[in-house]
Amino acid sequence: DADVTQTPRNRITKTGKRIMLECSQTKGHDRMYWYRQDPGLGLQLIYYSFDVKDINKGEISDGYSVSRQAQAKFSLSLESAIPNQTALYFCATGQGSYEQYFGPGTRLTVT
Amino acid sequence: EDQVTQSPEALRLQEGESSSLNCSYTVSGLRGLFWYRQDPGKGPEFLFTLYSAGEEKEKERLKATLTKKESFLHITAPKPEDSATYLCAVQAAGTYKYIFGTGTRLKVLA
Repeated sequence: DADVTQTPRNRITKTGKRIMLECSQTKGHDRMYWYRQDPGLGLQLIYYSFDVKDINKGEISDGYSVSRQAQAKFSLSLESAIPNQTALYFCATGQGSYEQYFGPGTRLTVT
Repeated sequence: EDQVTQSPEALRLQEGESSSLNCSYTVSGLRGLFWYRQDPGKGPEFLFTLYSAGEEKEKERLKATLTKKESFLHITAPKPEDSATYLCAVQAAGTYKYIFGTGTRLKVLA
């Protein structure tokens, strides 16, 4: 089984809808991250969490919110989706300041 | 400002033709430099971490090296299955952030 899983893997939604992307990990890591990836751009950090009670904004948090339900679960919500949020979204985990392990990604399309 | 620049953007090699990918960085104190491989439609896969200038890491046909300003990912005698996008990221000392480059798209032709 994969160490980091994301659901759904693909999602098409309409402008204005609320949508939640979920991430689970079995690596036992304390840190979890949400990134978005757009063609020609590097991975951009949306939110990160160092533990259940510690959640922080990244570079591009506007229009997004997160919830850390447990050490192993970190969800990303788009409160009112807009077309420029169409992107590939990745969850990642890490322990301390070491390498990150990424999930398979969610391809989100907002029409 | 902390920054990572990868070059070239794209590279086409014949099978067996060795080459190097470059990752130039500017950070206020390097905590670590990371290389990842990303296949189309998939998440980045961790390859190497380098912490200090002069350090080298190897894995199969890949070798990563680090200086105070840049890192190289050397690919020796590549095979078509090495085709992927290779991402470089750095973490600056005293920060939580990983700064990613935009990657080098490598295509190895049989």
